[in-house]
Amino acid sequence: DIQMTQSPSSLSASVGDRVTITCRASQAITNNLGWYQQKPGTAPKSLIYAASILESGVPSRFRGSGSGTEFTLTISSLQPEDFATYFCVQQHGYPRTFGQGTKLEIK
Amino acid sequence: QVHLQESGPRSVKPSQTLSLTCTVSGGSINSGGFYWSWIRQDPGKGLEWIGYIHSTGSTSYNPSLRSRVSISIDTSRSQFSLNLTSVTAADTAVFFCARDTMRAQSRYFFYAMDVWGQGTTVTVSS
Repeated sequence: DIQMTQSPSSLSASVGDRVTITCRASQAITNNLGWYQQKPGTAPKSLIYAASILESGVPSRFRGSGSGTEFTLTISSLQPEDFATYFCVQQHGYPRTFGQGTKLEIK
Repeated sequence: QVHLQESGPRSVKPSQTLSLTCTVSGGSINSGGFYWSWIRQDPGKGLEWIGYIHSTGSTSYNPSLRSRVSISIDTSRSQFSLNLTSVTAADTAVFFCARDTMRAQSRYFFYAMDVWGQGTTVTVSS
């Protein structure tokens, strides 16, 4: 299985801050990576696929980058609705595997 | 707009079979580019992909669960189902169904789990 290592596991930030979350894959996955946002009690929501393509309706302050084994999710100018948990998932092969998640909290 | 809804027992006894159904509404379950998936979430272990089924009946399962899991599809009812046998307390989790969609970008294909059910908590306990 491809292992996904996500960091940090938690992050405190303020509205207006810029934050970056990283995922590393145990082997090259080209750009077959997605980023998901999950709020308490709800299902994950797809934000980005193919490492950098925003889903329709996702604000442009979300940016994904990377290829191969290292990927980042950057949120510029945090908004109150952005405080949530973020997961990466490799969609290069099966089984799909997820990062452990990053809980983004208000400072 | 496509909507997925999980249904099934919320409590299962150890050694029994966990059975859940996902009903697809607002869209076709038969489209070739969709892989109908089950994912579970345990607060201690995060998200775990269980497997998928395509409308053709082809399946893929997580090797960690392969000996105990089966996913089936009933296209006439727009439903797909999960069976997980010989459950233990370690199988207690929130179970989600999701649509994993294949998308073409240039000459490449990418995937995104773009529609999810709300999730259902299943507890394994005697």
